[in-house]
Amino acid sequence: SAVISQKPSRDICQRGTSLTIQCQVDSQVTMMFWYRQQPGQSLTLIATANQGSEATYESGFVIDKFPISRPNLTFSTLTVSNMSPEDSSIYLCSVVRGSTEAFFGQGTRLTVV
Amino acid sequence: SQQGEEDPQALSIQEGENATMNCSYKTSINNLQWYRQNSGRGLVHLILIRSNEREKHSGRLRVTLDTSKKSSSLLITASRAADTASYFCATSRPARQLTFGSGTQLTVLP
Repeated sequence: SAVISQKPSRDICQRGTSLTIQCQVDSQVTMMFWYRQQPGQSLTLIATANQGSEATYESGFVIDKFPISRPNLTFSTLTVSNMSPEDSSIYLCSVVRGSTEAFFGQGTRLTVV
Repeated sequence: SQQGEEDPQALSIQEGENATMNCSYKTSINNLQWYRQNSGRGLVHLILIRSNEREKHSGRLRVTLDTSKKSSSLLITASRAADTASYFCATSRPARQLTFGSGTQLTVLP
């Protein structure tokens, strides 16, 4: 198993500001994944964070809006920039151990007002 | 993008009854997984079924897979109020990212 500490667990932010979400894993992993879950919806992958290289973004997500850092093999941050109410979502980080089983942080519930 | 659809979108049953959720997917897969999410929190892995398997059991969970129909079902037997959660199927991409179905919200009434 993997223990993932994600913070903050929730925040209420003013539009136009930015929020940085942190994700700490209890052991080294090559790739970390960031997902967004809009209200009442399923999870959508934002990007894959690799240590030592630029994150790989999915279609519809751009680095200027969702910059990601991956300074080492146990830590990553996702920033939601210049927020608008449409960014109100749950953001989750995830890692994969073994061949396929994914482990998730507890999520960050973001509300933009 | 979503891999596929799950149905029903919402399911409400009495404690002790069985709950069945269905998932359809679009592409070829190596395996299919089911996850549970309580109240918008992190997801928990429930069970994985490989493409060469047709049925798998884990405790009160039973998963079936029909690759010819690109569909899977999750059965929870003898449900409990604590089973109330959202359930998602997911398939893996080559770099191990997950593509999730639309999810089923299960409510088990005491």
